Amino acid sequence: GAVVSQHPSWVICKSGTSVKIECRSLDFQATTMFWYRQFPKQSLMLMATSNEGSKATYEQGVEKDKFLINHASLTLSTLTVTSAHPEDSSFYICSARDGGQWGREQYFGPGTRLTVT
Amino acid sequence: AQSVSQHNHHVILSEAASLELGCNYSYGGTVNLFWYVQYPGQHLQLLLKYFSGDPLVKGIKGFEAEFIKSKFSFNLRKPSVQWSDTAEYFCAVTSDQTGANNLFFGTGTRLTVIP
Repeated sequence: GAVVSQHPSWVICKSGTSVKIECRSLDFQATTMFWYRQFPKQSLMLMATSNEGSKATYEQGVEKDKFLINHASLTLSTLTVTSAHPEDSSFYICSARDGGQWGREQYFGPGTRLTVT
Repeated sequence: AQSVSQHNHHVILSEAASLELGCNYSYGGTVNLFWYVQYPGQHLQLLLKYFSGDPLVKGIKGFEAEFIKSKFSFNLRKPSVQWSDTAEYFCAVTSDQTGANNLFFGTGTRLTVIP
């Protein structure tokens, strides 16, 4: 089946620094990748949709200047949390979809736990 | 407001018991429905999905779900659970009214199966 990886799986950073999280589709080309955020004991919330070669589309309430998304190739999307603060501590999950057909399945990565001290 | 509701937050069952997890959604239009499972320490995996056709959908590991349009429901069932089914289960919906990209998740149901 389709595999999506994330790196790193866990990162601790100091307040004010930036952190980059990578999302890779390992055995398929992902024209669209998605970034979610999951708070403890809560559901996944879509942050943004990343299309290869174009600007990401951010959900309402998500600061695009704080959460920079780059989808430079069909197998890689990155999320950079700029000037991180403790309230940014969360579990970030990416997913990828092959092709643009509506309703096609998304394949999820294992997630990255970010802790900002 | 548009939402996906999973009313059972934590379900505890003994092995061999039957399982039914509720999922209700409030999105209009044409919907696609999904159940995902997250085993401890692992990533989300698709259990089953409904796009169209037979409203009774069979998934992996003996799970099935029934789409009842009139009730806006997509409940997950399994006739006999195993200890290995202990996990977090998420219902999710896409709607043509909110955009094909938006996969809306319920809050999840934690299932604990006691050997």
